[in-house]
Amino acid sequence: KAGVTQTPRYLIKTRGQQVTLSCSPISGHRSVSWYQQTPGQGLQFLFEYFSETQRNKGNFPGRFSGRQFSNSRSEMNVSTLELGDSALYLCASSSRGAGADTQYFGPGTRLTVL
Amino acid sequence: DQQVKQNSPSLSVQEGRISILNCDYTNSMFDYFLWYKKYPAEGPTFLISISSIKDKNEDGRFTVFLNKSAKHLSLHIVPSQPGDSAVYFCAASRAGTYKYIFGTGTRLKVLA
Repeated sequence: KAGVTQTPRYLIKTRGQQVTLSCSPISGHRSVSWYQQTPGQGLQFLFEYFSETQRNKGNFPGRFSGRQFSNSRSEMNVSTLELGDSALYLCASSSRGAGADTQYFGPGTRLTVL
Repeated sequence: DQQVKQNSPSLSVQEGRISILNCDYTNSMFDYFLWYKKYPAEGPTFLISISSIKDKNEDGRFTVFLNKSAKHLSLHIVPSQPGDSAVYFCAASRAGTYKYIFGTGTRLKVLA
């Protein structure tokens, strides 16, 4: 079974721009979660989607948004990029969602904001 | 408010010896815990999980222990191998919240 895939793997943007990251979960998984990892920090939870519905959201500004499609693929969008948004963005999928079973991560998208 | 804490940022262990990584949590409602290993520029790799109804779970060289009264879990790796050198994260969740809370990680270095 193919793992979680994320595109693109690397991205360079400038302040003020917006960016869209994509995640394809493991086949059959309906839950997709997004995390941000910055140096010295653990993984910070952004949001979780299940069957196209956002079930939980972390403490991030409204510039961070996401959605999930009927095939369980998910996208996250960051508008009006700031230097502090430079991070590794990780997507994870599971069958039933966090707290119910194990999440499996993709390789991440490294976003650099100049 | 850091609900999941890994108080040791780094740990060095000799090859063949036991590695013990620790994790403390503050929320007694957490009922599912995971350990991940992460190499640079890669996503975390799942290692082992434990439910709050158990106090121990084993998978090969990896064993996780859960002490609910102390709100503490630990990951034991026996024997440690150089390929185990990575950053290890613990994560906790409460049913119905649909999110995991991660610790800040412990960098393990296994010396040959």
